[in-house]
Amino acid sequence: KNEVEQSPQNLTAQEGEFITINCSYSVGISALHWLQQHPGGGIVSLFMLSSGKKKHGRLIATINIQEKHSSLHITASHPRDSAVYICAEGGADGLTFGKGTHLIIQP
Amino acid sequence: NAGVTQTPKFQVLKTGQSMTLQCAQDMNHNSMYWYRQDPGMGLRLIYYSASEGTTDKGEVPNGYNVSRLNKREFSLRLESAAPSQTSVYFCASGIMGGSETQYFGPGTRLLVL
Repeated sequence: KNEVEQSPQNLTAQEGEFITINCSYSVGISALHWLQQHPGGGIVSLFMLSSGKKKHGRLIATINIQEKHSSLHITASHPRDSAVYICAEGGADGLTFGKGTHLIIQP
Repeated sequence: NAGVTQTPKFQVLKTGQSMTLQCAQDMNHNSMYWYRQDPGMGLRLIYYSASEGTTDKGEVPNGYNVSRLNKREFSLRLESAAPSQTSVYFCASGIMGGSETQYFGPGTRLLVL
């Protein structure tokens, strides 16, 4: 069974800071997912990637297959980015999740 | 499109009672999933259905049953609820497996007393 580890567990930063959240997994994967869960509880898929890098607005996700590591970056962070960010490994039988990173961006 | 819908949003049960959580998607997805989310544990897969007519156990299936009623609907049943099943339950769907983007429902918050 794949293990997915995220760091840090909690992160508080000031508005405008560059944010990095890290994710490591233990075995080969078919896809790596980044999800966002807002305080209201809803879960939204941000990225799915199996190689390289993807960018959407101020969010960037990268993956290094050889090192079994992925990062989620947020540029010019804003209080509305405050949420739990979850990394997950994807396979044919669903997702295996990390425990999430609780991000707070202070004005 | 409503996406993935779940009912009910919130439920309180007594130990031993039964209930069914309903999930439906209108995106013509093949795969559907049930996850539970607990503090400190993250999200865990309970059951999944890779396609209409098939279901398989996930990481934490004990105490649950599922039915893939048709391509749109995937229900989760608790036959005899236990306090350990207090959790938030999320249904999700995807085109095919974990190698595709998954779309999540709003969740059902269940409290078992």
